Amino acid sequence: RKEVEQDPGPFNVPEGATVAFNCTYSNSASQSFFWYRQDCRKEPKLLMSVYSSGNEDGRFTAQLNRASQYISLLIRDSKLSDSATYLCVVNRYNQGGKLIFGQGTELSVKP
Amino acid sequence: GAVVSQHPSRVICKSGTSVKIECRSLDFQATTMFWYRQFPKKSLMLMATSNEGSKATYEQGVEKDKFLINHASLTLSTLTVTSAHPEDSSFYICSASMGSPDTQYFGPGTRLTVL
Repeated sequence: RKEVEQDPGPFNVPEGATVAFNCTYSNSASQSFFWYRQDCRKEPKLLMSVYSSGNEDGRFTAQLNRASQYISLLIRDSKLSDSATYLCVVNRYNQGGKLIFGQGTELSVKP
Repeated sequence: GAVVSQHPSRVICKSGTSVKIECRSLDFQATTMFWYRQFPKKSLMLMATSNEGSKATYEQGVEKDKFLINHASLTLSTLTVTSAHPEDSSFYICSASMGSPDTQYFGPGTRLTVL
């Protein structure tokens, strides 16, 4: 079983749609959680950190459920520019602090 | 701020040759640098972690004699793929950290193709 698992995707949605991505992690020692965005053939870029209380950044809302070891990302009012692969990432401090990446979920927003 | 560069951005080489990839933190001192590899449609996989002035720590399954990492200064780390083979063709990405393991600044990546 992979340590970080995401929805397989791809997600094809029209502009303006709301889309939700799910992620589960298997290692309870994980202490920090993030969503990254990766455009085709580019490096990943931090989208937002994820906090236990949930957090929002404009059209993006992230939620964390430590008991279920589940992370989510909600994108409202999708834009064409949101098309990318979204990576769920956790950091395990007990191994020197290294980022563990999920496989990513591809999002394609159509006009 | 917090810019990381990689050079070259793309390299094509013949099987059996060695390729060196540089990772530089341009406007900060990086106590730790990380090297990742990403195959098409796959996740980024951490290869090794390097701290300035000390030997790199390799992840399980990564051959340290094949992937040589040097972190000689606080702004430069290099990855050398020795005796490259076609299966080494991949997207290699470095990241740099100023200390917090949560905050890593990623380089733009190097696309290696081994013929």
